[in-house]
Amino acid sequence: DIQMTQSPSSVSASVGDRVTITCRASQGISSWLAWYQQKPGKAPKLLIYAASSLQSGVPSRFSGSGSGTDFTLTISSLQPEDFATYYCQQANSFPLITFGPGTKVDIK
Amino acid sequence: QVQLQESGPGLVKPSETLSLTCTVSGGSVSSGSYYWSWIRQPPGKGLEWIGYIYYSGSTNYNPSLKSRVTISVDTSKNQFSLKLSSVTAADTAVYYCARTTVTTGPYFDYWGQGTLVTVSS
Repeated sequence: DIQMTQSPSSVSASVGDRVTITCRASQGISSWLAWYQQKPGKAPKLLIYAASSLQSGVPSRFSGSGSGTDFTLTISSLQPEDFATYYCQQANSFPLITFGPGTKVDIK
Repeated sequence: QVQLQESGPGLVKPSETLSLTCTVSGGSVSSGSYYWSWIRQPPGKGLEWIGYIYYSGSTNYNPSLKSRVTISVDTSKNQFSLKLSSVTAADTAVYYCARTTVTTGPYFDYWGQGTLVTVSS
């Protein structure tokens, strides 16, 4: 099975900060990776798919990069509505789909 | 706009079967462009993919749950369903249904709001 790890597990940041979250796969997954944002009590929301493609309607301050085993999600200028938990998800070992453990972004 | 809505009992006794239904509006479960998935999240924990179904009835399940899971689809009602047998307290979670892309994915682009299922006597 492909294991996903994320770092950091949590990050404290201020509005306007640039925030970078890393996701690592235990083996190469090409670009088969997505990023989701989840706010408390809400369902996850797809932000990025295929490692770097922005989902329709998602602000351009979100970007994704990487391939193989190492991926990053970057928020270029953190906004108040961006405080949430972010999950990566691999789709390479389809049909087995796995998520990373999550990274919580909270207010500094 | 595609919408998904989970429904079913919020409390299930240990050893019994958890049953949930997802009703889809604004889209069709008969579309060949999507799978239809179940995902769960124990309180305070991360996300776990349970399985998916295609409109044809083809399914795939998470190996860790495969022996207890059945997902079915009712195209006439535009619904798909989850059954999880022999539940224990470890199955307590928020259960989400989600549309899953086929051509670019699989990624989950539309989600239901989620429903909390508690396993307790």
